[in-house]
Amino acid sequence: EAQVTQNPRYLITVTGKKLTVTCSQNMNHEYMSWYRQDPGLGLRQIYYSMNVEVTDKGDVPEGYKVSRKEKRNFPLILESPSPNQTSLYFCASSILTSGGTNTGELFFGEGSRLTVL
Amino acid sequence: AQSVTQLDSQVPVFEEAPVELRCNYSSSVSVYLFWYVQYPNQGLQLLLKYLSGSTLVKGINGFEAEFNKSQTSFHLRKPSVHISDTAEYFCAVSRTGTASKLTFGTGTRLQVTL
Repeated sequence: EAQVTQNPRYLITVTGKKLTVTCSQNMNHEYMSWYRQDPGLGLRQIYYSMNVEVTDKGDVPEGYKVSRKEKRNFPLILESPSPNQTSLYFCASSILTSGGTNTGELFFGEGSRLTVL
Repeated sequence: AQSVTQLDSQVPVFEEAPVELRCNYSSSVSVYLFWYVQYPNQGLQLLLKYLSGSTLVKGINGFEAEFNKSQTSFHLRKPSVHISDTAEYFCAVSRTGTASKLTFGTGTRLQVTL
């Protein structure tokens, strides 16, 4: 089954304790992206990756890191989490066209709800 | 840069009634437009998309949307809703030819009741 898998689905942590949210897709997609969803703000892009070893900032990258060492995996790293990073996080992936562009048809994971105390 | 406005944060409607969820966008260049749906405790899934061609786009579950360039709108419609359509709906926009950045609206919560 084609899917994007995120772990953990739920996490409560404390300020400053490094954590990683993993994301893996089995569709051989080149493009992957992380979003955070907050009430009244919709989804905001944190980072995205067009391919292995190619990553770029989205709208709200502060406080986050990503890496893309393998095509299928795109972990989101919070080096020193703070309460304002309490949010619902989504990983998404997509194919790229032959021209190297993304059509915008994203496949989403089920989300990771993070609470930072 | 592009932006999306969803004017209604919540839309209550009775089952079997028609519904329209409004979306307006702003962009200085050509765009792709999308509607995504998020059911409770799930990720988003694509309902429909406009990339080019016919301005009336049909999607899954009986939904359709019409791209209106002059009014910069992409409203979502369904002639008769079902309880199972209760969900949050997001409009999204991206520039044509890139789409590395998909900008989402703030969402509209559709609540269908008997």
